[in-house]
Amino acid sequence: GDSVTQMEGPVTLSEEAFLTINCTYTATGYPSLFWYVQYPGEGLQLLLKATKADDKGSNKGFEATYRKETTSFHLEKGSVQVSDSAVYFCALSSPWDTGRRALTFGSGTRLQVQP
Amino acid sequence: ETGVTQTPRHLVMGMTNKKSLKCEQHLGHNAMYWYKQSAKKPLELMFVYNFKEQTENNSVPSRFSPECPNSSHLFLHLHTLQPEDSALYLCASSETGANTEAFFGQGTRLTVV
Repeated sequence: GDSVTQMEGPVTLSEEAFLTINCTYTATGYPSLFWYVQYPGEGLQLLLKATKADDKGSNKGFEATYRKETTSFHLEKGSVQVSDSAVYFCALSSPWDTGRRALTFGSGTRLQVQP
Repeated sequence: ETGVTQTPRHLVMGMTNKKSLKCEQHLGHNAMYWYKQSAKKPLELMFVYNFKEQTENNSVPSRFSPECPNSSHLFLHLHTLQPEDSALYLCASSETGANTEAFFGQGTRLTVV
């Protein structure tokens, strides 16, 4: 079945450091890929997405590129802020003809940014 | 404002109580979901509804009973819960086409005592 694997956290960085959170996936066909963010006490919010190979999703300084050859969708940001401290989830949406309608999520990576 | 509203935000209940969680979406979606998020564990999909019909039940114990009276509302009825059921319960909705993202509510923090 489909699966998403994320690097374990927590990831602790100083403000203005470069961020990479790794995500790899296993899926049938060509899924869409997403990054969600969860701030303390809140639900999940969509951060960015990519629907086909080589697409780059971007939002709020975060970027991720859909790499079909390496089945990866790593999240990057050039300069993190304290306000970026949250849990980040990588997810995939299975192709419509697989019959699976819900997103498959990774286990989440906690990011802590220190001033 | 996410377009998906969950009530209550916090709930404390005894093991013999009966309570219900409510989810409402204002996005015109036809798919709705319940997820359970426990500390130190991955997000767990519980139920999926498409056009008011349940299409997935991921081996959820019968003490959790979902109800979807229309495409905008989703309930989770709780009875005879155990302390290990304490968690954040998240509702989400989406369109039913391909390549669509899910929109989440803020969750209900449930504590079973």
